[in-house]
Formats: sequence, C-alpha cells, structure tokens
Amino acid sequence: SAVISQKPSRDICQRGTSLTIQCQVDSQVTMMFWYRQQPGQSLTLIATANQGSEATYESGFVIDKFPISRPNLTFSTLTVSNMSPEDSSIYLCSAYDGGTEAFFGQGTRLTVV
Amino acid sequence: DAKTTQPTSMDCAEGRAANLPCNHSTISGNEYVYWYRQIHSQGPQYIIHGLKNNETNEMASLIITEDRKSSTLILPHATLRDTAVYYCIVRVGNFGNEKLTFGTGTRLTIIP
Repeated sequence: SAVISQKPSRDICQRGTSLTIQCQVDSQVTMMFWYRQQPGQSLTLIATANQGSEATYESGFVIDKFPISRPNLTFSTLTVSNMSPEDSSIYLCSAYDGGTEAFFGQGTRLTVV
Repeated sequence: DAKTTQPTSMDCAEGRAANLPCNHSTISGNEYVYWYRQIHSQGPQYIIHGLKNNETNEMASLIITEDRKSSTLILPHATLRDTAVYYCIVRVGNFGNEKLTFGTGTRLTIIP
C-alpha cells in the first residue's frame, strides 16, 4: 500500500497570501487527487492532478485559485491562492497505486486569518 | 455515480457488532459499493468493497442485498478506536483509478 506524506501538516496564514501544499507518495501511482474538507463537512474533490499536463478541475474550482502541479508519478502540489478566511479547511491528497483502493494523506489543516 | 443515503449518526456499545446501513437504490449493474472511514483528524481509510456478493476481511464484513439497492457494513466487535465517520460510496469499476465522491457519511460513536 502507498504511503502519502503531506507538508505542511498545518499552517496559519494571512489573508491575501498563498500557500503551497506538497504531497509525496512513497511509490509511483497512477492517479493523484486533491480534496477539501471544510469544518464539520465531508470531503469535496477539487481536482485530479495529471502528470505532465493541466489538472482536471471539478465544478466550482478554478485553476487561478487552486493551481496544481504534478511533475512526476510520486509528487504533486496544490496552491491555495489569494486566501480568505473561507479557505480555512483541511486539504487532503489522495492517490491510487493500481490496486483497488485509494490512499489518503493525513491532510493539511489551513487557517486563514 | 449513484447517490447513497446513510444515517447521520449512530451509537454502538463497545464489544458489540456495529451495523451501518447504506441505501443506494439507483445503483447500476457495473457499480461497486465501497466503504471508507475517517477517524478524527486523519485522512480517510479504506475498509472494504463489493459488487454483489458478501465480502469479509480483517476489518469488517459487507452485506449487499440481492437487489443491490442497499448494503450494511458490519464491524463485528466494535472498539473505541472504531469511533469515526463512515462513508458508503458507489462507483464504477473495481480498480482504484477513479475519483471518489464522498457523501455526508455516518458518524459512529462507540460507547464504553
């Protein structure tokens, strides 16, 4: 099973700034995804991170606000841009390694003040 | 993917079997039922999945009705560490290469 590490695990940021979250998998994976979990809510898919090409975003999420990179089969980043307090959430990276289940990182808890 | 309906919350006594229901009345013939759980402050964890036959692994059992419109996740001997939010997800495919759509889930509390 794949092990996913996210950095940072938590951060407190000023509004108007940007934060880049890193997701590192310990093995090559076929698919990587980014989710958002707002306080007390379920997980919402932000986008699929595609290797070597632009991410595929879900309805309600745009590249200018959440730019995503995936330079290789083990690494991806999510940037939360021009942050506002409404962006305070847990951001989770997920990956598939070709098996039948998805693996998740422990998440990045973001607070915007 | 088909929509699922789960109770918002449930309690279960420690040591007893926890039975978590899920309705998926619009499920298609090629859609699988997956269960994940999320323990507080952690990422979701895969539990089990199935198509139409009952499944069992070291964590749980999955019972799917014959018409496949509902299923039940069974934790045979619940412990305090099983307190979590449990998500029932219906999706096409048996291979982990597709996005997961999470519903609201069931918050299970194990009572000492």
